[in-house]
Amino acid sequence: DVKVTQSSRYLVKRTGEKVFLECVQDMDHENMFWYRQDPGLGLRLIYFSYDVKMKEKGDIPEGYSVSREKKERFSLILESASTNQTSMYLCASSEQGRRMNTEAFFGQGTRLTVV
Amino acid sequence: KNEVEQSPQNLTAQEGEFITINCSYSVGISALHWLQQHPGGGIVSLFMLSSGKKKHGRLIATINIQEKHSSLHITASHPRDSAVYICAVPRVQGAQKLVFGQGTRLTINP
Repeated sequence: DVKVTQSSRYLVKRTGEKVFLECVQDMDHENMFWYRQDPGLGLRLIYFSYDVKMKEKGDIPEGYSVSREKKERFSLILESASTNQTSMYLCASSEQGRRMNTEAFFGQGTRLTVV
Repeated sequence: KNEVEQSPQNLTAQEGEFITINCSYSVGISALHWLQQHPGGGIVSLFMLSSGKKKHGRLIATINIQEKHSSLHITASHPRDSAVYICAVPRVQGAQKLVFGQGTRLTINP
């Protein structure tokens, strides 16, 4: 079974802190994603990586950065956490499809609270 | 108008009832995803389909590409089916980045 593992289920951080959310997948997938999920807004893409050291901005990248030094690991970084970044964060991975889409596999989510 | 619209937003039913959740989308797609999210947050992929119908246990997903519409059906619903069901389509045909519906919160009462 594909496993996408996020390092924490729950995190509480202070405003202004630098926050790292880690995601690891064990199926050698090329694509990895970071989403945030908020009530009434659904899932929104923050950043996408299609290969090691490659990244693309999603719909809401402001206030975030990412790092993909190894294929299996995709980190989301909040440079200076703010209260409006309190949210559920979900990581996902998928194979690199050529023309057809491939199935996406999600982690269990990290509920981040910034106080 | 959202690119992906789901209905209903909330659905409460009694155990054993037949459930239908609908998804309409406005972008051209190569495949549509149905996802399930239980309380606690983790998301599980249920189906990925590009035509016709797929069945897995009591879950059935159908898609009509011409009408840009998909349905998720649950037969003989059970309280453990209570979850949020989300449909998602690629933003651009063939691309990996998905755009998501708002989700349908399903509650099955015993």
